[in-house]
Amino acid sequence: DAMVIQNPRYQVTQFGKPVTLSCSQTLNHNVMYWYQQKSSQAPKLLFHYYDKDFNNEADTPDNFQSRRPNTSFCFLDIRSPGLGDAAMYLCATSRDPRGGLYYNEQFFGPGTRLTVL
Amino acid sequence: DQQVKQNSPSLSVQEGRISILNCDYTNSMFDYFLWYKKYPAEGPTFLISISSIKDKNEDGRFTVFLNKSAKHLSLHIVPSQPGDSAVYFCAARGGDDKIIFGKGTRLHILP
Repeated sequence: DAMVIQNPRYQVTQFGKPVTLSCSQTLNHNVMYWYQQKSSQAPKLLFHYYDKDFNNEADTPDNFQSRRPNTSFCFLDIRSPGLGDAAMYLCATSRDPRGGLYYNEQFFGPGTRLTVL
Repeated sequence: DQQVKQNSPSLSVQEGRISILNCDYTNSMFDYFLWYKKYPAEGPTFLISISSIKDKNEDGRFTVFLNKSAKHLSLHIVPSQPGDSAVYFCAARGGDDKIIFGKGTRLHILP
């Protein structure tokens, strides 16, 4: 089955210790997204890629970086996690939505729950 | 400032009855509205969408209604089934093609 896979599902890190979350997809979608979702809050877009074209949201902290080495994989690097970065991190993919007449569905992975000690 | 608002954090409905989930938005430039459903330990999955040029879209037991003048949309589930117990996110697509989500409403279907 085509899908979006996130590893690990649960990640525990220490305050200030860098951490990398990974996402892979078998859907061959050219767009990949990273969202942060805190408890009882709306998923918040951090950044997204159109192919290798990186798009950062204006309010995404510099502490968050991303890499997309190829179509299938995308990584979220948190350089110095703080307690406020504890959240669920969701990866999603879609076909290119730009200028489309119809909504191009975003397919989500199961998420990685990050705990910062 | 929230552009997509789901004011009910939770809703309980008897099995077999109608579930109505509500959503309000502030940006009149949104051109597509979406509902996503999320089970515990899974990512959100797309449920149904509606274009801003329509006022109703139906897919099986799920119907979404859009009232543009009130900037309000609702999701109706009829009849409600136990498997419908989940968190439902309302979302909207802006002119930059980005999706903005609401905080979600947790739906409990009671036996």
